[in-house]
Amino acid sequence: DAGVIQSPRHEVTEMGQEVTLRCKPISGHDYLFWYRQTMMRGLELLIYFNNNVPIDDSGMPEDRFSAKMPNASFSTLKIQPSEPRDSAVYFCASSLVHNRGPPNTGELFFGEGSRLTVL
Amino acid sequence: AQSVTQLDSHVSVSEGTPVLLRCNYSSSYSPSLFWYVQHPNKGLQLLLKYTSAATLVKGINGFEAEFKKSETSFHLTKPSAHMSDAAEYFCVVNKLIFGTGTRLQVFP
Repeated sequence: DAGVIQSPRHEVTEMGQEVTLRCKPISGHDYLFWYRQTMMRGLELLIYFNNNVPIDDSGMPEDRFSAKMPNASFSTLKIQPSEPRDSAVYFCASSLVHNRGPPNTGELFFGEGSRLTVL
Repeated sequence: AQSVTQLDSHVSVSEGTPVLLRCNYSSSYSPSLFWYVQHPNKGLQLLLKYTSAATLVKGINGFEAEFKKSETSFHLTKPSAHMSDAAEYFCVVNKLIFGTGTRLQVFP
């Protein structure tokens, strides 16, 4: 398997522009997570999905951020309008719930991240 | 309530000496605990995990961690550091709660 695939790897944009980050999870995984990483705040969970349904979006910073998962193999994280403080590395991760274990025991498989710079 | 505390933001060791990265956790139920490693400009990779089986967990690259319920700790150790171990290490409780990370530097 190719692993979790994120695009773009790098994006530089100007304040006010719309940004769309994309993620393809590992085939067969039923959980998908979006994280944001900055020097100041470390890794923050933004939102996660189970079977394409958003379960917890309490980490989404504000209404400018939205995430969708239209099918099991694709998710987007959109920022509109973008601001300089949104500059960060955004990671997507996917996970498989093991049938015999509780849902919090599955390993997270991370993509290589999308580095966003908003000028 | 769930939380995780990584007690050191930076750890520096010489190559060939032992590594200790400390992690304390809080969980309202029996926890699952993980250590992930992140090399520069890369995503995170699982080193090892504890999910209520053996309390001493062995992971990749010679790392291991011991779950100590009485101390609510899950410290990561390695007997002999390698230059390639230089990276950021994250302790995680219950899959989703990440610590702030410990940056490991290894000097020749």
